[in-house]
Amino acid sequence: QSVLTQPPSVSGAPGQRVTISCTGSSSNIGATYDVHWYQQLPGTAPKLLIYGNSNRPSGVPARFSGSKSGTSASLAITGLQAEDEADYYCQSYDISLSGFYVFGTGTKVTVL
Amino acid sequence: QVQLVESGGGVVQPGRSLRLSCAASGFTFSTYAMHWVRQAPGKGLEWVAVISHDGSKKYYADSVKGRFTISRDNSKNTLYLQMNSLRAEDTAVYYCAKGITMIVASPYYFDYWGQGTLVTVSS
Repeated sequence: QSVLTQPPSVSGAPGQRVTISCTGSSSNIGATYDVHWYQQLPGTAPKLLIYGNSNRPSGVPARFSGSKSGTSASLAITGLQAEDEADYYCQSYDISLSGFYVFGTGTKVTVL
Repeated sequence: QVQLVESGGGVVQPGRSLRLSCAASGFTFSTYAMHWVRQAPGKGLEWVAVISHDGSKKYYADSVKGRFTISRDNSKNTLYLQMNSLRAEDTAVYYCAKGITMIVASPYYFDYWGQGTLVTVSS
C-alpha cells in the first residue's frame, strides 16, 4: 500500500556509515515535494528525524543527514551507534488520487 | 512541552464502532491541523485522516473513507476519530500527530506524535 519504496533492512558495524534509500514517483517526490524522515525505536512512537529533505530538528545528532534528487531521497547515518538501531520511515506528499501524505515501506537498521 | 495522549483503543468485533481520543497540551491546539496515522502489527505507517485547525476541512485515506470520521473540540484541546464498520484490517496502533500549520491539504511533516493506542478488531 506504501507508494514510497525503501530497502527492508540495512546493517553496519559501530562507527560505519549506512544509507537508506526512498524511491518515489512523479506524483510525490518527483513532483518536487519535500521528503521527511522518522525514527521509530522499538516499542515507541515515530519521532521526526529529518524535515524538508535535509534539515535536522533541534536535538537530532549531526550524524543523521538527508538528501533528495529526482524521484528519490536518502538518509545517511555516519558514525553508527548502538542506539541508532531502529526502524526508519520516509514520508512525502502525493498528488495522485491515492492520498495526500504517504510513507515509505520502512527500513530496519541493525547495528552489528 | 508538546504532549499528545491517545486513548480509547481496545478489542472490538468486526462491524462494531469505536471512538479514539487524543488529548493535546503544550501548544495552541486550535491553530494547527491534526492527523491520525496508524500502524498495523509488524507493518509500516499509514496516514488515515486530517482535520483543519477549525474543523471545517477533513480528508481521509481511501481505506477508511465513509467509515471513519475525524473531529476536534478546540475548547477541550482534544482530537477524535470515530471508527464505524470496523474490519480486521483496521487492527493497528493509532497515533495522533500534529501538523506544522493550520492548512490541511499541504505538503508538510508531522512534528509531534502521541504514544499510540491499540485497536484490535476480532471476533
